[in-house]
Amino acid sequence: DSGVTQTPKHLITATGQRVTLRCSPRSGDLSVYWYQQSLDQGLQFLIQYYNGEERAKGNILERFSAQQFPDLHSELNLSSLELGDSALYFCASSREAGGPYEQYFGPGTRLTVT
Amino acid sequence: GESVGLHLPTLSVQEGDNSIINCAYSNSASDYFIWYKQESGKGPQFIIDIRSNMDKRQGQRVTVLLNKTVKHLSLQIAATQPGDSAVYFCAEIAAGGTSYGKLTFGQGTILTVHP
Repeated sequence: DSGVTQTPKHLITATGQRVTLRCSPRSGDLSVYWYQQSLDQGLQFLIQYYNGEERAKGNILERFSAQQFPDLHSELNLSSLELGDSALYFCASSREAGGPYEQYFGPGTRLTVT
Repeated sequence: GESVGLHLPTLSVQEGDNSIINCAYSNSASDYFIWYKQESGKGPQFIIDIRSNMDKRQGQRVTVLLNKTVKHLSLQIAATQPGDSAVYFCAEIAAGGTSYGKLTFGQGTILTVHP
């Protein structure tokens, strides 16, 4: 158990819908990262937050947005969902914003768009 | 239409052998490199990291080697055990500019350890 929690574990929804994935980092970790893992794209970095502020941006679509709240939990919002958004979405946390980058991953949310 | 999945390299070893997993990275400006292990149905797990100013770092049963000249990273696992069976990913992190902090992952290598 990494100490990072993600909810829900599974999500099935239809195209065009909007969903929110939630992540609680390990106690004391200030940085939260979101990743997407799909069969055809592999593991892709989406976005990083540090203590409430956006820190780094990866391959995040405009239909997706995220935020980190004062209690440090984070939410990833996915809107106008398409079939290709079906993937595992991981959240990770780390103590710092920069190095060392020892990140702890949550168990993931499996999103299925039908 | 037909979906195209990643065809990951595979490495099969016998229990007790040493394993070497290789990774080529793309950005010569990357400052930091990490190896992750992902078991089936779980999230990636941090194994070991190395900064670009080092060429070798050792952990418990694992060693990471960095060759910046050819942009190559390797993970050596000593006395491989069945529990080491997993997908192994390398990741590089940009040092600065607009890509600061952005992690880029390799495609992964499937390691299978036979008892």
